[in-house]
Amino acid sequence: DQQVKQNSPSLSVQEGRISILNCDYTNSMFDYFLWYKKYPAEGPTFLISISSIKDKNEDGRFTVFLNKSAKHLSLHIVPSQPGDSAVYFCAATSNNAGNMLTFGGGTRLMVKP
Amino acid sequence: DSGVTQTPKHLITATGQRVTLRCSPRSGDLSVYWYQQSLDQGLQFLIQYYNGEERAKGNILERFSAQQFPDLHSELNLSSLELGDSALYFCASSAGLTGELFFGEGSRLTVL
Repeated sequence: DQQVKQNSPSLSVQEGRISILNCDYTNSMFDYFLWYKKYPAEGPTFLISISSIKDKNEDGRFTVFLNKSAKHLSLHIVPSQPGDSAVYFCAATSNNAGNMLTFGGGTRLMVKP
Repeated sequence: DSGVTQTPKHLITATGQRVTLRCSPRSGDLSVYWYQQSLDQGLQFLIQYYNGEERAKGNILERFSAQQFPDLHSELNLSSLELGDSALYFCASSAGLTGELFFGEGSRLTVL
């Protein structure tokens, strides 16, 4: 049973436009959500996170939105740049999980110049 | 560079064999995590150690074992290898039991 799902395996957008990556979760105990970015031949790197007490967190071009009632979060990248092309993983954890992250399957973002 | 070092980067072996993957966490980090990524899938949590003690266990097979040594480096031992064990194995570390995880570049295991 996948507790964190990213239903779009890939996404292609034009440079300068908005990229929206989606993530759904089923475990209502999750209270902290993260996005990781992964380039080929590298490990995932932390991008942005959000606590369940918030519905939005912004960091530069990256914004994460959380809809707890729908158990859905999304990552918005505006404007998208070719260097953003990577695989993006959504992850979730709970307060008592000891920092154990449950990851989604990833979405490959391609930003075309 | 995340500061987490994993060796070897690539490993090819045969079914039935045993391998050891090594991880050196970031300087000062007490927590080490092991994740498995198979065939463009998400990362599956295997096991977590904190300051030498096992802290949490995920979907880790009985053929797999891990430990964290007094110098805080960790090893993941995979035995009686099967074709399906071919995957990327990531190690991550964090300062404590909360906070950002820093991932190594992974060890790619191919079982033939």
